[in-house]
Amino acid sequence: AQKITQTQPGMFVQEKEAVTLDCTYDTSDPSYGLFWYKQPSSGEMIFLIYQGSYDQQNATEGRYSLNFQKARKSANLVISASQLGDSAMYFCAMREGTQGGSEKLVFGKGTKLTVNP
Amino acid sequence: EPEVTQTPSHQVTQMGQEVILRCVPISNHLYFYWYRQILGQKVEFLVSFYNNEISEKSEIFDDQFSVERPDGSNFTLKIRSTKLEDSAMYFCASAAEGLPGFFGPGTRLTVL
Repeated sequence: AQKITQTQPGMFVQEKEAVTLDCTYDTSDPSYGLFWYKQPSSGEMIFLIYQGSYDQQNATEGRYSLNFQKARKSANLVISASQLGDSAMYFCAMREGTQGGSEKLVFGKGTKLTVNP
Repeated sequence: EPEVTQTPSHQVTQMGQEVILRCVPISNHLYFYWYRQILGQKVEFLVSFYNNEISEKSEIFDDQFSVERPDGSNFTLKIRSTKLEDSAMYFCASAAEGLPGFFGPGTRLTVL
């Protein structure tokens, strides 16, 4: 079974508008972490935002926020005021287990976001 | 800002040859990882390394693969006898205790 599901292979958004990229996850571990990474066409993986399973508030980092709905097991990324430079692949990932240690990340298949001028 | 570096950025090799991919993690990080991404596909975990030993490895990480931290700063991935299906982007990542991993820029490996 997929541990991380990103159902949107591609998304389009107009510049300056907000966009939500979906991510659902599957785990029976009560302690886990959820990550979003951006991969531009140059190929590098850029860490955007992190949400711990015990965090009470949704994570925010500048224009990025994570809409964490624990009961639904969803961790959607919201990008506000989209910019042309936001065009990239976006990957949701999960780390299972307690903080610390060498827990691996499991990635979703990604969503390709295109920001139109 | 500290960053993970990887060399080379692109490696082309013949099938059956050995390759070594090099990474310099962020200096105070203790956890090190290799991931790979076949073109157009998702990123897959290969191996994690802590305290000078492998702590976890995936089924992809078979006997053809090995990792080493030879000198306290570099972290290497060796593929003993490359196959066509090893062609991928290989990412090194490092992390401090309890914090998200930072990825390097990747090495694109092309096996001919």
